[in-house]
Amino acid sequence: GAGVSQSPSNKVTEKGKDVELRCDPISGHTALYWYRQSLGQGLEFLIYFQGNSAPDKSGLPSDRFSAERTGGSVSTLTIQRTQQEDSAVYLCASSSTREETQYFGPGTRLLVL
Amino acid sequence: AQKITQTQPGMFVQEKEAVTLDCTYDTSDPSYGLFWYKQPSSGEMIFLIYQGSYDQQNATEGRYSLNFQKARKSANLVISASQLGDSAMYFCAMREALESYNKLIFGAGTRLAVHP
Repeated sequence: GAGVSQSPSNKVTEKGKDVELRCDPISGHTALYWYRQSLGQGLEFLIYFQGNSAPDKSGLPSDRFSAERTGGSVSTLTIQRTQQEDSAVYLCASSSTREETQYFGPGTRLLVL
Repeated sequence: AQKITQTQPGMFVQEKEAVTLDCTYDTSDPSYGLFWYKQPSSGEMIFLIYQGSYDQQNATEGRYSLNFQKARKSANLVISASQLGDSAMYFCAMREALESYNKLIFGAGTRLAVHP
């Protein structure tokens, strides 16, 4: 079946602009995660959604970052007033439940000039 | 303290040989899971293998096996009969049942190069 999809695959933006990154999880998966991978680094947790529960936002690095998940499916990660240090690959993952294996999308490569 | 430590920034192996990628972890949670992911140059994270803290046997998936030594808190990945397509970054990750239950904690990764 279809895996996790993300769009856009690449995004170049100017410092100070807002960006929106989209994630479409595997059908039927109730848990959705966003991670950030800076150049040459491991993955850093950003936010977690589970069904209709309040999201775990403990990994968001600043209030410029926000995310929503509409209808328990598609999620959008928004970065306001982008900074150069926001340049990274943003990876989305989903799992059937919180306890199950997370499957990742191809990521969005964000470059802030 | 680092929760997941991968001490080998880079490894190389000859094609058809076996290679072990090291991973040690730190947790006080009695229930946890350990994962290995492969990240080729294309960037996607590919799930390879999972080991639960209460599993009695080491996990195996095809050419991948996990050498789980609970007392030493190590979960090394063994790739047998290496192939050129195994060249990639490999990440060890942990999910704790209590402390970090909503997320995976990743190590810094090991870059594996398979030589013909």
